[in-house]
Amino acid sequence: DADVTQTPRNRITKTGKRIMLECSQTKGHDRMYWYRQDPGLGLQLIYYSFDVKDINKGEISDGYSVSRQAQAKFSLSLESAIPNQTALYFCATSGSRGRDNNEQFFGPGTRLTVL
Amino acid sequence: AQTVTQSQPEMSVQEAETVTLSCTYDTSESDYYLFWYKQPPSRQMILVIRQEAYKQQNATENRFSVNFQKAAKSFSLKISDSQLGDAAMYFCAYRSFRGQNFVFGPGTRLSVLP
Repeated sequence: DADVTQTPRNRITKTGKRIMLECSQTKGHDRMYWYRQDPGLGLQLIYYSFDVKDINKGEISDGYSVSRQAQAKFSLSLESAIPNQTALYFCATSGSRGRDNNEQFFGPGTRLTVL
Repeated sequence: AQTVTQSQPEMSVQEAETVTLSCTYDTSESDYYLFWYKQPPSRQMILVIRQEAYKQQNATENRFSVNFQKAAKSFSLKISDSQLGDAAMYFCAYRSFRGQNFVFGPGTRLSVLP
């Protein structure tokens, strides 16, 4: 089984709809991240969390919100989706000590299309 | 803030040949980590190789090696004996020693020609 899972894998929605993307991990990591990937821009950080009570905005947080329901779960919400939020979304985790502190482990990505 | 630049949006290489992907970064810190990630058509992000800035020796992983030039803030990836399965997007990434977040470059799309 994958260490970092994301649901759904693909989603098509309409402008104005509320969307939630979910991420779960079995690696026992305390750090979790949400990125979006657009062609030519690489990965841009939306939000990150270092534990259940710690949530931080990334470089492009406008229009997004997150919830860290448990150490293993980190959800990303688009309260009112707009077409320019069409992108590939990745969840990632990282450990806080040892070798896992120096690497990010990615989920398989969610392809979101907003019409 | 740190930035990572990959000046080659696309590259191609003949199967079995060698190719080098470029990456430069901007930082005022002395301790940090650098990474190359591969993203094949499956979309999965896969760590290819990692370099600690305090190590002078260039990292190698089988056919993958890096040329780390700290003074020049350059971190290129060399792929030897290229295989069709190497075709992918390649992202260079940076993380400061004390920082918590990773900064990614825009990526280079590598095609491998049979």
